[in-house]
Amino acid sequence: GQSLEQPSEVTAVEGAIVQINCTYQTSGFYGLSWYQQHDGGAPTFLSYNGLDGLEETGRFSSFLSRSDSYGYLLLQELQMKDSASYFCAVSGAGSYQLTFGKGTKLSVIP
Amino acid sequence: SAVISQKPSRDICQRGTSLTIQCQVDSQVTMMFWYRQQPGQSLTLIATANQGSEATYESGFVIDKFPISRPNLTFSTLTVSNMSPEDSSIYLCSVVNHRVWETQYFGPGTRLLVL
Repeated sequence: GQSLEQPSEVTAVEGAIVQINCTYQTSGFYGLSWYQQHDGGAPTFLSYNGLDGLEETGRFSSFLSRSDSYGYLLLQELQMKDSASYFCAVSGAGSYQLTFGKGTKLSVIP
Repeated sequence: SAVISQKPSRDICQRGTSLTIQCQVDSQVTMMFWYRQQPGQSLTLIATANQGSEATYESGFVIDKFPISRPNLTFSTLTVSNMSPEDSSIYLCSVVNHRVWETQYFGPGTRLLVL
């Protein structure tokens, strides 16, 4: 089976940096993805890591260490609109299917 | 990217009845999936909708309860059958295009309340 662990809630100040960690246990791991979901909205894709290292997309970066079964999402220059739930998700080899973590609710405060 | 619409956006149903949710994509896609999400909870994959053949269900989900159709590359339906209050949830469809396979695009969801 597959299981993912991420913090349930994180609070950070506007303009600051926050890191959301994700550890996973899975068979046939292929890659780690991150999705953002605002209250009442649909999940939207943020990033994907198939190889070890850091991927940067604007204010967001994502990191993967396959040997440690660990990844994180880094959000810089936090804005109020970043308040949302963030899900890590793993994909298995040869499969488009995703298994999602339980999500981290990020609250950005002034 | 893919633009996905779902109908209905929300519904209130009586127990014992069935509801069919439609998912329409604006372009042909490789894969279509159906998820369930309780408010404030994670997404759970119900099944993969396969074009022209029976859907592939995840553990804990069965065809009699959640029949799925996918008649072509842009459309799928999920039926929630013989509903009970435990079926109250948000149902989302998602799609993957093989050209950008690492990205799943999600529909806006159908909010279902069963009384």
